[in-house]
Amino acid sequence: DQQVKQNSPSLSVQEGRISILNCDYTNSMFDYFLWYKKYPAEGPTFLISISSIKDKNEDGRFTVFLNKSAKHLSLHIVPSQPGDSAVYFCAATYSGAGSYQLTFGKGTKLSVIP
Amino acid sequence: DVKVTQSSRYLVKRTGEKVFLECVQDMDHENMFWYRQDPGLGLRLIYFSYDVKMKEKGDIPEGYSVSREKKERFSLILESASTNQTSMYLCASGQLTQPQHFGDGTRLSIL
Repeated sequence: DQQVKQNSPSLSVQEGRISILNCDYTNSMFDYFLWYKKYPAEGPTFLISISSIKDKNEDGRFTVFLNKSAKHLSLHIVPSQPGDSAVYFCAATYSGAGSYQLTFGKGTKLSVIP
Repeated sequence: DVKVTQSSRYLVKRTGEKVFLECVQDMDHENMFWYRQDPGLGLRLIYFSYDVKMKEKGDIPEGYSVSREKKERFSLILESASTNQTSMYLCASGQLTQPQHFGDGTRLSIL
């Protein structure tokens, strides 16, 4: 049973426009969510996170929105740049995990076209 | 900056061999993790450890074991490698309230 779903395997966006990556989850125990970015032949790098006590978190060009009632979060990148082309993974965990175990989605490959 | 180092970037082994993948972190993190990444399947947790000599099974532990004799080092062991274990293996470390940090991965091919 897939608890974290990224239903779009890929997304293409023009440089300068907004990229919106979506993520849905099924486990209502999840209370902390993260986005990771991964380039080929490198490990994932942490991008931004959000706690369930918030509905928005912003860091420069990256904003994550959380809709708890819909069990949905999204990552907005504005403006998109060619260097943002990568695979983006959504991940979730819950405070009771103790060891901070993450559950990942399958990823969305973002291509930003110059 | 946190540094997670995986001993090999690329590794080729034969079916039936015992394979060791090593991971070292330099930030004194309590938690360490092993994932595999396959196309279309994302990152799947194999095993994790929250302390020296402690280990917990993740989502896909079959065919693997782990060892954590020192806090900074976490080893993944393929007891008898099979072709379906050909994959990208990623090690990560983290503290309770901080995001996990990943190594650059080991691309393992089993022939």
